[in-house]
Amino acid sequence: QKEVEQDPGPLSVPEGAIVSLNCTYSNSAFQYFMWYRQYSRKGPELLMYTYSSGNKEDGRFTAQVDKSSKYISLFIRDSQPSDSATYLCAMTTSNSGYALNFGKGTSLLVTP
Amino acid sequence: GAVVSQHPSRVICKSGTSVKIECRSLDFQATTMFWYRQFPKQSLMLMATSNEGSKATYEQGVEKDKFLINHASLTLSTLTVTSAHPEDSSFYICSARDQRGAGELFFGEGSRLTVL
Repeated sequence: QKEVEQDPGPLSVPEGAIVSLNCTYSNSAFQYFMWYRQYSRKGPELLMYTYSSGNKEDGRFTAQVDKSSKYISLFIRDSQPSDSATYLCAMTTSNSGYALNFGKGTSLLVTP
Repeated sequence: GAVVSQHPSRVICKSGTSVKIECRSLDFQATTMFWYRQFPKQSLMLMATSNEGSKATYEQGVEKDKFLINHASLTLSTLTVTSAHPEDSSFYICSARDQRGAGELFFGEGSRLTVL
């Protein structure tokens, strides 16, 4: 079993929809949780960074961490065609020297 | 936000040659940088952890003599693919940890290596 599981999609939604992206993980030692957005042929871009359980909001993006269920989510409100990209969850712990463990990424397409 | 610059963004080389990729943190110091490899439609796989002033730590299955990593300063790490072969063709991405604040990790734009 991979340490981080993420449905690769693709996920297609109409413009303006609320998007929910999720990851599950097995290593309870993970402390830091991140969401990256990656456009084709580009490096990942950090979207959200959370530590421990709870919610964090930044503009149209909300990251949610439930450590008891080992489940993290990224919500995108009022989705735009420019949000079309691959979204990667990643997590790490200080014990691993902060090396990231990535999900496979979910491909999102927002149609006008 | 913090910026990590990676160069070159794209390189094509002949089989048997060596290629160097640079990763620079532009507005912060990074004692630790990471090198990842990404195949098409696959996630990023950690290759090695680069620590300033010491030897890199390689992940299992990654040949340290083939993928030479040098982290000579707090803002620069280099990855050299030696005697490259077509199977080394991939997207190589570095990341650097910002020691300030929450220690966020930022990625470079990636370098696409094609070995003919």
